[in-house]
Amino acid sequence: GAGVSQSPSNKVTEKGKDVELRCDPISGHTALYWYRQSLGQGLEFLIYFQGNSAPDKSGLPSDRFSAERTGGSVSTLTIQRTQQEDSAVYLCASSLRTRAGAGYDEQFFGPGTRLTVL
Amino acid sequence: AQSVSQHNHHVILSEAASLELGCNYSYGGTVNLFWYVQYPGQHLQLLLKYFSGDPLVKGIKGFEAEFIKSKFSFNLRKPSVQWSDTAEYFCAVNAGGGSYIPTFGRGTSLIVHP
Repeated sequence: GAGVSQSPSNKVTEKGKDVELRCDPISGHTALYWYRQSLGQGLEFLIYFQGNSAPDKSGLPSDRFSAERTGGSVSTLTIQRTQQEDSAVYLCASSLRTRAGAGYDEQFFGPGTRLTVL
Repeated sequence: AQSVSQHNHHVILSEAASLELGCNYSYGGTVNLFWYVQYPGQHLQLLLKYFSGDPLVKGIKGFEAEFIKSKFSFNLRKPSVQWSDTAEYFCAVNAGGGSYIPTFGRGTSLIVHP
């Protein structure tokens, strides 16, 4: 079946420009996560969506970052006024929340979007 | 806040050597534990996970991990590595009790020479 897809796969932008990154989760997955992966670093949590609940934005590094999820499916991560330190691979993951309160559900990751800010 | 430490950032082995990658976490309560793997050019994928029961967990491709609660550890092992095991390995910990956001370690890069 179809996995998590992300677009674009690569994005090069100039400092100060806005960018939008898209994530299509696996159909039926209610949970969606955005992470940032910098060279030699682990995965840095950015934001989490679960169904129709308010998203957990606790990982967003600044107010230049925002994300939305429309219709409980597709999600867009927007970075305004990009800076060079925003250069990283942005990963999206989804999971099927099998039981409320359980945190052991496997995450399915997309291929990522490599963002380069010049 | 919980943290996850992967002590080995880079590991180089020859085929047939045994592998053990360390993972320690800081959270003192109930935890769910994961190892993910990223093969060159591929997505991150689940290798194995623990949430209850037998602390020795077996995953895909001959990997296993042992949860030792007293040591706050979840080390990954494989008795005999193959060239195809060359990849980046990430340990992740999810605090139990309704936490949905796992904390990931920095990853360990494993290179296996044929």
